[in-house]
Amino acid sequence: GESVGLHLPTLSVQEGDNSIINCAYSNSASDYFIWYKQESGKGPQFIIDIRSNMDKRQGQRVTVLLNKTVKHLSLQIAATQPGDSAVYFCAEYSMNTGFQKLVFGTGTRLLVSP
Amino acid sequence: ETGVTQSPTHLIKTRGQQVTLRCSSQSGHNTVSWYQQALGQGPQFIFQYYREEENGRGNFPPRFSGLQFPNYSSELNVNALELDDSALYLCASSGSGDTQYFGPGTRLTVL
Repeated sequence: GESVGLHLPTLSVQEGDNSIINCAYSNSASDYFIWYKQESGKGPQFIIDIRSNMDKRQGQRVTVLLNKTVKHLSLQIAATQPGDSAVYFCAEYSMNTGFQKLVFGTGTRLLVSP
Repeated sequence: ETGVTQSPTHLIKTRGQQVTLRCSSQSGHNTVSWYQQALGQGPQFIFQYYREEENGRGNFPPRFSGLQFPNYSSELNVNALELDDSALYLCASSGSGDTQYFGPGTRLTVL
């Protein structure tokens, strides 16, 4: 079946450190992956995406890596700041009878200490 | 901000009642998806509307229904509310691309 899971429920880092959030997916047919950031009381905020024909994509302070061989996705945040504290979700696009729905994992909480 | 708005922000209902939640999509987006997010969980797909028609549905019973209007705004209706329906309801819009942009959500509490 399709599922998107995360390895660590909570990640605590110091301000200035680099953070790595990991995600495993099970649907090898998925071709599009998105990382969202969700702050308390708010909706998920798009961070970065990657398609299955890529291994790496960089944004501002963030990098997403995709390893299709082991079906693993990671989000790297450089120089983590207190404002990065939030729950991070990876989501997988699953094609199903002509429409696309996002399949989310349960999320990883990132705690950044000053 | 994504340009996706939802109303109301919070809502309290009792079991058995009916509720309507509203979503305005980002300008230029013709697809709206609804998700339910229970506390501490990831969002779960309810259904998707494209050009006023439902074109996909998740594992939710028929008492969850929706509409999309010509201006691409959307409604989510839930009948015969149950305690387990208490959650954050999220609306996301997308256009010709694949990325879904979320609104702030409506927090529904069923007593």
